[in-house]
Amino acid sequence: GAVVSQHPSRVICKSGTSVKIECRSLDFQATTMFWYRQFPKQSLMLMATSNEGSKATYEQGVEKDKFLINHASLTLSTLTVTSAHPEDSSFYICSARRLGIYEQYFGPGTRLTVT
Amino acid sequence: AQSVTQLDSHVSVSEGTPVLLRCNYSSSYSPSLFWYVQHPNKGLQLLLKYTSAATLVKGINGFEAEFKKSETSFHLTKPSAHMSDAAEYFCVVIGTKGAQKLVFGQGTRLTINP
Repeated sequence: GAVVSQHPSRVICKSGTSVKIECRSLDFQATTMFWYRQFPKQSLMLMATSNEGSKATYEQGVEKDKFLINHASLTLSTLTVTSAHPEDSSFYICSARRLGIYEQYFGPGTRLTVT
Repeated sequence: AQSVTQLDSHVSVSEGTPVLLRCNYSSSYSPSLFWYVQHPNKGLQLLLKYTSAATLVKGINGFEAEFKKSETSFHLTKPSAHMSDAAEYFCVVIGTKGAQKLVFGQGTRLTINP
């Protein structure tokens, strides 16, 4: 149990375009989902926290208009990178949490390359 | 705020020998601590967690960690390394009491030599 999927696993897009990444909890209801960014050989950096049905809370320094997060249901959150630039190329990982449980279940990640 | 420091960025051991990955934490209250493993280009998998129960925590794949309050440490160990243990390991603490955020250490890359 507690499986989180991400789609796509890998995406290449041109500079200036937008790309959407989906995060799904497959066998549980995720009241809270998290989006992380990981640069090569570095740790995970929390970008934002989203609770189902409400606006996401962004970490300091993360542009909310550039990284649009939607958590419309208890099993789906999406991250849209708008007007992507090469510096947005990174590994994006989502996680999901059940109500009242500390543990976060992580997705397999999405490798974004902006050319 | 809570924080964790992983004392080694890279650890290299021979197959069959013990593994020790070190983590110190800073917390103003009794923390919840986790160890996660990440294989290349993969998401994170929970190895084990400490949430104020037994101080010696056993996890998956033969790993265990001991919570030592006097030393503010939560080191990860395994008696005998296997080639499949080669990965990145993260020590993680809950950010603030009752909050949701995880605070990650810098990571330790474990290499296993044949």
